[in-house]
Amino acid sequence: DAGVIQSPRHEVTEMGQEVTLRCKPISGHDYLFWYRQTMMRGLELLIYFNNNVPIDDSGMPEDRFSAKMPNASFSTLKIQPSEPRDSAVYFCASTDRGQAFFGQGTRLTVV
Amino acid sequence: GQQVMQIPQYQHVQEGEDFTTYCNSSTTLSNIQWYKQRPGGHPVFLIQLVKSGEVKKQKRLTFQFGEAKKNSSLHITATQTTDVGTYFCAGGKGFQKLVFGTGTRLLVSP
Repeated sequence: DAGVIQSPRHEVTEMGQEVTLRCKPISGHDYLFWYRQTMMRGLELLIYFNNNVPIDDSGMPEDRFSAKMPNASFSTLKIQPSEPRDSAVYFCASTDRGQAFFGQGTRLTVV
Repeated sequence: GQQVMQIPQYQHVQEGEDFTTYCNSSTTLSNIQWYKQRPGGHPVFLIQLVKSGEVKKQKRLTFQFGEAKKNSSLHITATQTTDVGTYFCAGGKGFQKLVFGTGTRLLVSP
């Protein structure tokens, strides 16, 4: 398996634009997590899914953020409209109840 | 909500010195996991502890889970420059919600 795959690796966008981050978890893993990492706030859990169903989205900062998992092999995190304070590295991770495997992350810069 | 704090936030040691990071949770944890993140990289799993008072070793790394399952520690003996990175603990109730600690950044000078 190629591991957790995230795209794009880097994204630079203008304030107000819509941003979509993508994640392909490891096949067979039934949990998927989205995290945001910044220097100030560390590694924050935004939302997690179990068997494609959102279980806890209490970490999603605002209504501008939304996440979906239409099937077991794909998830998206969307920000609309984006703001400069959304600039961060966004990680997706998947697990089958053991260790979590992280993707390489998407570095988002909103200017 | 659940909070997981780590101390220290940052430590700079000379190669060969020991290093310890401490992890404290506001709630009892079902298990604790430890991860290492190299600069510019992503968190990589190191180990998982499940039992109260459990101690596990990986070469120069020693991991401990507290008796009350609310705290944990990672000790590195005789640090090397390859140990540089940020060390995170992570845990949750019933495993599902994997909440990461605030992290301890380790810098090792040769």
